[in-house]
Amino acid sequence: DGGITQSPKYLFRKEGQNVTLSCEQNLNHDAMYWYRQDPGQGLRLIYYSQIVNDFQKGDIAEGYSVSREKKESFPLTVTSAQKNPTAFYLCASTQWTENTEAFFGQGTRLTVV
Amino acid sequence: GESVGLHLPTLSVQEGDNSIINCAYSNSASDYFIWYKQESGKGPQFIIDIRSNMDKRQGQRVTVLLNKTVKHLSLQIAATQPGDSAVYFCAEIVTYSSASKIIFGSGTRLSIRP
Repeated sequence: DGGITQSPKYLFRKEGQNVTLSCEQNLNHDAMYWYRQDPGQGLRLIYYSQIVNDFQKGDIAEGYSVSREKKESFPLTVTSAQKNPTAFYLCASTQWTENTEAFFGQGTRLTVV
Repeated sequence: GESVGLHLPTLSVQEGDNSIINCAYSNSASDYFIWYKQESGKGPQFIIDIRSNMDKRQGQRVTVLLNKTVKHLSLQIAATQPGDSAVYFCAEIVTYSSASKIIFGSGTRLSIRP
C-alpha cells in the first residue's frame, strides 16, 4: 500500500546526543514537511522540502537539520543544540496538484532523558 | 506575520447534534485550506479542503465554509458521533515563489456528550 512511514514510533535518547528520525514515502510526492507538536498544542513547521536536494527552514528550525538526497526520504536530525527536544514529531508529504492532499505519518514520540 | 488560529480551544457537543468549529486566518494570499482531524497519539487525517474560489464545499457529514472577506473558515459536522471526538485543525497553504508551506492553527478539541 502507498503511504508515508515514520520510524520509530517511540524513541528515547540521552541529553546531549543527536538523534535522527526517519520519514519515507512511496507516494511519489515532491514536497515533504516536518512538524513538531507539544502536548495540547498545534503543529509547528520545522523544515520543508519541495524537491530533491533542496529544503527550507520553517518557523522553528533551530537545533534541527534535514537532508533530501532521495525523493522518497526526508530524515530529520534533532541535534544537541535543540534545547527542548522532547516532543511528538510528524512528517507529511504532498504533491501540489489540482486535487492536493497532504498525507501525514503516524508520528515519532521522542523523549530525551 | 502569518497565523492561523481558532476561536474556541474546546467544544463539547451532545451526540447527534451538529458541531461547528471555527478558524481565523491572516494571510490574504492563501488560496487553499484544509481541515484535519487528529486522534490521540496519531498523525492528522485529512477531512476536507476548499480553494479560495469557493465559499462552500460538502463532504460526507462535513461542510466547510470559507468567508474571504473576514478571513474566516468553519467546519460543520452533522449528527456528531462519538467517533468524531478528536482535535481538529485548520491549515492554510501559503505559496511563495519556490515553495508552499502548510501552516496549522492551534486546534480545537471536540468532545461528545452521550
